[in-house]
Amino acid sequence: GAVVSQHPSRVICKSGTSVKIECRSLDFQATTMFWYRQFPKQSLMLMATSNEGSKATYEQGVEKDKFLINHASLTLSTLTVTSAHPEDSSFYICSALKGGAPRLAGNQPQHFGDGTRLSIL
Amino acid sequence: AQKITQTQPGMFVQEKEAVTLDCTYDTSDQSYGLFWYKQPSSGEMIFLIYQGSYDEQNATEGRYSLNFQKARKSANLVISASQLGDSAMYFCAMREPTGNQFYFGTGTSLTVIP
Repeated sequence: GAVVSQHPSRVICKSGTSVKIECRSLDFQATTMFWYRQFPKQSLMLMATSNEGSKATYEQGVEKDKFLINHASLTLSTLTVTSAHPEDSSFYICSALKGGAPRLAGNQPQHFGDGTRLSIL
Repeated sequence: AQKITQTQPGMFVQEKEAVTLDCTYDTSDQSYGLFWYKQPSSGEMIFLIYQGSYDEQNATEGRYSLNFQKARKSANLVISASQLGDSAMYFCAMREPTGNQFYFGTGTSLTVIP
């Protein structure tokens, strides 16, 4: 099946630290990866769409300089939370979409990583 | 307007009974995909079932089935013979052909009672 690995699963760090989260598609090539943020008991909030070899597309209200996304290869995307503060504490989850044009791949589900619980002290 | 609406924030079901989780969607496209995901308390998102807008038959995957009513724009998830392990958040999602983005509903928290 399609497996997505997200690392680390949990991070606790001091305010001001930068944190990098990795998202890897293990058995397929992912031309598109998504980064979500989820608050307790709420739905997923899309932060950005990451396309291999190009700049990420950020959703309105998401700070590009705060949440740096790099999609350097077809199997790896990283999210770096720069100078993290307590308000950045959240559950971050990535997903990957198998390659192919949207019209041809309409039945492809997003395959999610297990998420990262980020706690900034 | 909300693309995906899940009107049940919380549901309870007796073990071994069936339960229906509601989902309605809004799109002007003729071609789209509908998905259901399960999110246990541990956080991972588990893909359950898919329904294509042109599929004439309702999708089924084991104990999961999708009650697809295109005219009403609803895609309800039916879980048969509920198990304790089914307790989780359930999210309905839609993908339109114009892009790769998925639209998620607000979720339904299902609790299975022994």
